[in-house]
Amino acid sequence: DQQVKQNSPSLSVQEGRISILNCDYTNSMFDYFLWYKKYPAEGPTFLISISSIKDKNEDGRFTVFLNKSAKHLSLHIVPSQPGDSAVYFCAASAQQNQGGKLIFGQGTELSVKP
Amino acid sequence: EPEVTQTPSHQVTQMGQEVILRCVPISNHLYFYWYRQILGQKVEFLVSFYNNEISEKSEIFDDQFSVERPDGSNFTLKIRSTKLEDSAMYFCASSLDPQGHTDTQYFGPGTRLTVL
Repeated sequence: DQQVKQNSPSLSVQEGRISILNCDYTNSMFDYFLWYKKYPAEGPTFLISISSIKDKNEDGRFTVFLNKSAKHLSLHIVPSQPGDSAVYFCAASAQQNQGGKLIFGQGTELSVKP
Repeated sequence: EPEVTQTPSHQVTQMGQEVILRCVPISNHLYFYWYRQILGQKVEFLVSFYNNEISEKSEIFDDQFSVERPDGSNFTLKIRSTKLEDSAMYFCASSLDPQGHTDTQYFGPGTRLTVL
């Protein structure tokens, strides 16, 4: 099941710089997208979401951009902090799935270096 | 801040044994979910549950799996006869909105199931 893809397994960024994590999807029925952060031995923690009626959503240092024509979303973290080091998952759902099923990408491991 | 809790944190069992994984969703949430993550793989949806019945289930969720909300606070996942390939992290999640779809799902810390 490759409906949601995160093609970069890892990303290394200097503290204070911008981190950009990318996610692509193939199912045009997806209309709600979320980013989760995950530390080892913990569950995914919700970061930010975006509905398909928007192209941008911002919450503090985190901004998610959605390009529906390209079926692409990205998460920008600025400025990046060492505490942001974790695995980031994008996830998508489709209104047709009334059960609310989330389809996850493989994750990108972000390392923010001091 | 309210959170989803799961017990136990780690469960070791012999192949063929039954296991029950327990979750306490956030108290005012109405939609409940189980996901799993096999080591090195994606987080995969297993089942969603609303109003005391399954809303949706994946192909993984076969007859060996069942879910139950035995009381007003717990949500359980039972695996009747465990197989080696059931070894994974199992995450419970809950969301507030009865429609479930556009509402945020909050995840618990997970139960690591090891089948020997």
